[in-house]
Amino acid sequence: EPEVTQTPSHQVTQMGQEVILRCVPISNHLYFYWYRQILGQKVEFLVSFYNNEISEKSEIFDDQFSVERPDGSNFTLKIRSTKLEDSAMYFCASSSQNTEAFFGQGTRLTVV
Amino acid sequence: RKEVEQDPGPFNVPEGATVAFNCTYSNSASQSFFWYRQDCRKEPKLLMSVYSSGNEDGRFTAQLNRASQYISLLIRDSKLSDSATYLCVVPIPSGNTPLVFGKGTRLSVIA
Repeated sequence: EPEVTQTPSHQVTQMGQEVILRCVPISNHLYFYWYRQILGQKVEFLVSFYNNEISEKSEIFDDQFSVERPDGSNFTLKIRSTKLEDSAMYFCASSSQNTEAFFGQGTRLTVV
Repeated sequence: RKEVEQDPGPFNVPEGATVAFNCTYSNSASQSFFWYRQDCRKEPKLLMSVYSSGNEDGRFTAQLNRASQYISLLIRDSKLSDSATYLCVVPIPSGNTPLVFGKGTRLSVIA
């Protein structure tokens, strides 16, 4: 069964450092998303990406965040200068027709 | 009114019980709705999609009431393996419809 894969599964970084979270969406999907979930809280939308550009983004997705699809398969989320409050589980998701989305296993980001 | 609101839970039920979760949404233009299941520290996994009045899949039944902007999930004959957090999810009906998640309802099925 096709699935969304994310790497790394866990990333520990020092405050102020840049991190890149990687995702390989399901191969025939066209819509890609990043969500985050702070421990004990609900899943929050960050950004959606379609046709090689950002289509929607939330207030959380400020200038410190960026996304890229550098080749035909990877979809990355970069956080330029991490803050303690960026510590969360980051989920990548993809969908084929802009309906239900399928999620990767997540990257647990810990900023120290 | 918050975009997606769910019963706060937790629900603690014995094996074999029937349990129902409720969810209300604020945007009357929403057309599709989803229930996801999330195990502790895992990713959300799609459980059911609801596009019309309802959907049934084995022990799980989802119902939609558009007039009341209300969705429910019914689980019959609960199993221990049903223990998880159930997330009500509603796409924002604009642009590339990012999903809006409810806070989830925690279910514990006990032997």
